[in-house]
Amino acid sequence: NAGVTQTPKFQVLKTGQSMTLQCAQDMNHEYMSWYRQDPGMGLRLIHYSVGAGITDQGEVPNGYNVSRSTTEDFPLRLLSAAPSQTSVYFCASSYSRGSTGNTIYFGEGSWLTVV
Amino acid sequence: AQKITQTQPGMFVQEKEAVTLDCTYDTSDPSYGLFWYKQPSSGEMIFLIYQGSYDQQNATEGRYSLNFQKARKSANLVISASQLGDSAMYFCAMRGYSGGGADGLTFGKGTHLIIQP
Repeated sequence: NAGVTQTPKFQVLKTGQSMTLQCAQDMNHEYMSWYRQDPGMGLRLIHYSVGAGITDQGEVPNGYNVSRSTTEDFPLRLLSAAPSQTSVYFCASSYSRGSTGNTIYFGEGSWLTVV
Repeated sequence: AQKITQTQPGMFVQEKEAVTLDCTYDTSDPSYGLFWYKQPSSGEMIFLIYQGSYDQQNATEGRYSLNFQKARKSANLVISASQLGDSAMYFCAMRGYSGGGADGLTFGKGTHLIIQP
């Protein structure tokens, strides 16, 4: 059981480049989400999905696109990277919206630097 | 909208002492959950403890306990007998369960805890 897998772990981009952060889970979770963590801040919700084909915006969605074609995968796309998107990105998954306690699983994080 | 406030940016504590990390929250959701996570310098998010808004008793998990005072909207984390390995960032977070609005965890800004020998 691999849990939540994020790739890549580290990435350096030039301003204006595009890239996709991958997130995959093997627990058949319906709910998946992306967060970003900036220095001195807690995690902030970017986008989330409550099932295949369903996505919605979180607190800080600008500059990011998502799609959910399968239950397992929830990629995060940066179409034109900006220095303000330099951050650590976390993917999380859970069985449902009502998941509690230790049933929310986080990936190990992806460190992205935009120069 | 939900809000988490952690008023202690950093704390220094002597090893073996008990530690209380403060967390206050605000929500209009009648059903919600409160979470504490530990983030060591390696960066991963480690779940520590959870309290549901309708739970009658304060949650405990080993050396961790959650002092839940619903009327005061506070959910402080208590670490008993601190250890050097407890040095890390600690985040309080919450999630609403009644529906409406963006679905996800709302985090505080965290407390950087340093345990001194």
